[in-house]
Amino acid sequence: EILMTQSPATLSVSPGESATLSCRASQSVNSNLAWYQQKPGQAPRLLIYGVSTRATGIPARFSGSGSETEFTLTISSLQSEDSAVYHCQQYSYWPLYTFGQGTRLKIK
Amino acid sequence: EVQLVQSGAELKKPGESLEISCTGSAYTFNTYWIGWVRQMPGKGLEWMGIIYPRDSDTRYSPAFQGQVTISADKSINTAYLQWSSLKASDTAMYYCARFGGGCCNDAFDLWGQGTMVTVSS
Repeated sequence: EILMTQSPATLSVSPGESATLSCRASQSVNSNLAWYQQKPGQAPRLLIYGVSTRATGIPARFSGSGSETEFTLTISSLQSEDSAVYHCQQYSYWPLYTFGQGTRLKIK
Repeated sequence: EVQLVQSGAELKKPGESLEISCTGSAYTFNTYWIGWVRQMPGKGLEWMGIIYPRDSDTRYSPAFQGQVTISADKSINTAYLQWSSLKASDTAMYYCARFGGGCCNDAFDLWGQGTMVTVSS
């Protein structure tokens, strides 16, 4: 089973600044990596798939990068509405598409 | 509107059985896999298993194999997650989500609203 490790567990950033969230895979997942945003009391929402492709309706402030085992989600020009938990997921190893444990982003 | 709608919250006692559902609408249900994901209180997302409604091909995470049963009825665009004997540790939010239909590689591009299952004596 592929282990996905996200860091940091919690991140606190001021509005207007940028946030960088990391996700590491225990083995290469090639480009089969997605990011989800989950706001309190809501279901997760797909932000990015294929490492860097934004899902429909996702603003350009959200960007993904990385390859193999190291991946990054960058959120620029942070807004209060970006306060959420962000999850990464690998979908390289069928059928166990494992998630990371999540990073909680707080907007100061 | 394209959506997955899950059944409502459940309060059950240990040892009881339970089936929760996930119904798709406004898309071709049979052409996407449906996955089930557990989220225990304050915790991350856990991949439980998946089903392809067209032929009921089902796969489980080793952590959930034998603990739950996933099924589907393609005639009514519905997938199910079933327990035969609940434990207190099954208390969690359960989400269904779809993937594999052409958009978004195999990322979950559509999620249900979640079903809260509480198991308490």
